Amino acid sequence: DAGVTQSPTHLIKTRGQQVTLRCSPKSGHDTVSWYQQALGQGPQFIFQYYEEEERQRGNFPDRFSGHQFPNYSSELNVNALLLGDSALYLCASSLVGGGRGDTQYFGPGTRLTVL
Amino acid sequence: ILNVEQSPQSLHVQEGDSTNFTCSFPSSNFYALHWYRWETAKSPEALFVMTLNGDEKKKGRISATLNTKEGYSYLYIKGSQPEDSATYLCASYSGGGADGLTFGKGTHLIIQP
Repeated sequence: DAGVTQSPTHLIKTRGQQVTLRCSPKSGHDTVSWYQQALGQGPQFIFQYYEEEERQRGNFPDRFSGHQFPNYSSELNVNALLLGDSALYLCASSLVGGGRGDTQYFGPGTRLTVL
Repeated sequence: ILNVEQSPQSLHVQEGDSTNFTCSFPSSNFYALHWYRWETAKSPEALFVMTLNGDEKKKGRISATLNTKEGYSYLYIKGSQPEDSATYLCASYSGGGADGLTFGKGTHLIIQP
């Protein structure tokens, strides 16, 4: 049973560019959440997708957008990259609801560096 | 407490010793408290999800307790082993806002042989 997978592992972009990160959830999971972990901080919630729609969103600007496909995989898009977007981006999957009483399963993350 | 806070930030423990660390979280609108273990270059691994005041959970040598009235949880490791070296993250779900978890910054545990 494959766990949560993310691609790419590492990515280097320059300011102003756009980036797309990908996530495949654990088999049987239908909900995907995205988190940003800046250096020295805990992961911070970006948004969650269920049934191909954004259910909830954290305190992130509209430059951060996402998508969920019918097979439950998900993409995180970031436009007009800023130096401050450099971080580890984690994807987590769960059954409906996630953070309540349901365990979230994390991928290994994508390390984004913005120069 | 407005945020999730963990202490200490880092901890060095001798192999074989027991240790514990703390997670403090907002007690208002509390719904669930999650603990994760995160080894370098790996994915965060779920340890416990706790929802009830007074709840205690155990997984091998690791256990956790929860006090929702005062907003804290303790994680205990008995007889530390080198493989316990990792960052331990706690995260709370309040249910009143975003569905995502609010994480602390973690406790970085190093077990010295």
